[in-house]
Amino acid sequence: GAVVSQHPSRVICKSGTSVKIECRSLDFQATTMFWYRQFPKQSLMLMATSNEGSKATYEQGVEKDKFLINHASLTLSTLTVTSAHPEDSSFYICSASPGTSGGYNEQFFGPGTRLTVL
Amino acid sequence: KQEVTQIPAALSVPEGENLVLNCSFTDSAIYNLQWFRQDPGKGLTSLLLIQSSQREQTSGRLNASLDKSSGRSTLYIAASQPGDSATYLCAVDGSGYSTLTFGKGTMLLVSP
Repeated sequence: GAVVSQHPSRVICKSGTSVKIECRSLDFQATTMFWYRQFPKQSLMLMATSNEGSKATYEQGVEKDKFLINHASLTLSTLTVTSAHPEDSSFYICSASPGTSGGYNEQFFGPGTRLTVL
Repeated sequence: KQEVTQIPAALSVPEGENLVLNCSFTDSAIYNLQWFRQDPGKGLTSLLLIQSSQREQTSGRLNASLDKSSGRSTLYIAASQPGDSATYLCAVDGSGYSTLTFGKGTMLLVSP
């Protein structure tokens, strides 16, 4: 089956620093990758959608200058949380799809990254 | 704006029981609905996908139904097992572009 990995699985950082999270599709090429954030006992909230080689599309209310997304290859997308603050502490999950954003293609989810900002 | 609600928020049952999880959505113009399983601190595992033209899907002990006109879906789990303990998430794609809107989930605990 399609496997998506995330690294790191957990990260603790100091307030004001930047953190990079990687999302990789291990056995398929992911034209589209999605980044979600999940607070305790809350829904997964879509942050942004990225297509390989183009700029990410951010959901309303998500600061694109704070959450930098790079989808430079068909197997790797990165999310960088810049100048992290305690309120950015959350569970970040990526998903990858082998198709484009036009029309449904199944998403395969990564295991998530727990970010704690002190 | 699409909103997805899942009831109950938590459910505890003894092993062997059949159970039903409910999902409702406010905008019936959806392309598909998916049920996922999430174990604590982990990512999501897709369980069942129902296209808007379908009424139900089955996989093993799981059966999901969809009533698009009323904005409802149910996930039926037969003969529950302790290994079924997890949070079950319902998500709808209202755009046709794989943009999913999730519910908050139902936390299921099956005791031996």
